[in-house]
Amino acid sequence: DTGVSQDPRHKITKRGQNVTFRCDPISEHNRLYWYRQTLGQGPEFLTYFQNEAQLEKSRLLSDRFSAERPKGSFSTLEIQRTEQGDSAMYLCASSPGQPGEYYTFGSGTRLTVV
Amino acid sequence: AQSVTQLGSHVSVSEGALVLLRCNYSSSVPPYLFWYVQYPNQGLQLLLKYTSAATLVKGINGFEAEFKKSETSFHLTKPSAHMSDAAEYFCAVSRETSGSRLTFGEGTQLTVNP
Repeated sequence: DTGVSQDPRHKITKRGQNVTFRCDPISEHNRLYWYRQTLGQGPEFLTYFQNEAQLEKSRLLSDRFSAERPKGSFSTLEIQRTEQGDSAMYLCASSPGQPGEYYTFGSGTRLTVV
Repeated sequence: AQSVTQLGSHVSVSEGALVLLRCNYSSSVPPYLFWYVQYPNQGLQLLLKYTSAATLVKGINGFEAEFKKSETSFHLTKPSAHMSDAAEYFCAVSRETSGSRLTFGEGTQLTVNP
């Protein structure tokens, strides 16, 4: 296992289009997290899954955003009707789910909305 | 609620000089604390973590941090800076009651001058 994989690495889309990102976590990790990072800022929590259950969503996750983890393995994050303010780095991370265990982050998907 | 404050968005040191990156946290319960490093267009890599064991934590690449409960601080240090240490550094806090989700500081950009 080579770590957390995210696809694509870069995405340029026109405003109003829908985009979907994929994250493949470390296989034995049961927790999966999505974060968003804008330029010059720290990552901000969006949502997380314990296996296939989505347990928490941030207020940052508007109705245009949806995340799934259908079989408790990979996850997708979809943004509908993209806006320029959605331009950011979207980071996925996974962890074993034990208290204090650290996350392993993927390299992120950089979204640019034009 | 928990939060992290990183003092100094930019720190510049000479190669071979001491590196000190400051982090103060706010948490209503004993926290787990982390330092991550991010290189351009990359995900975040764990440097070290504090999980209520030893208060002086040693990490990778010669970095260490000391947990000081009385000062609610978790400052990151390295005795001698190397050019390859130039990157952005993030302090983060989590606690199990929040699903172990991380709350990040805004980051400190470290520049190492020859």
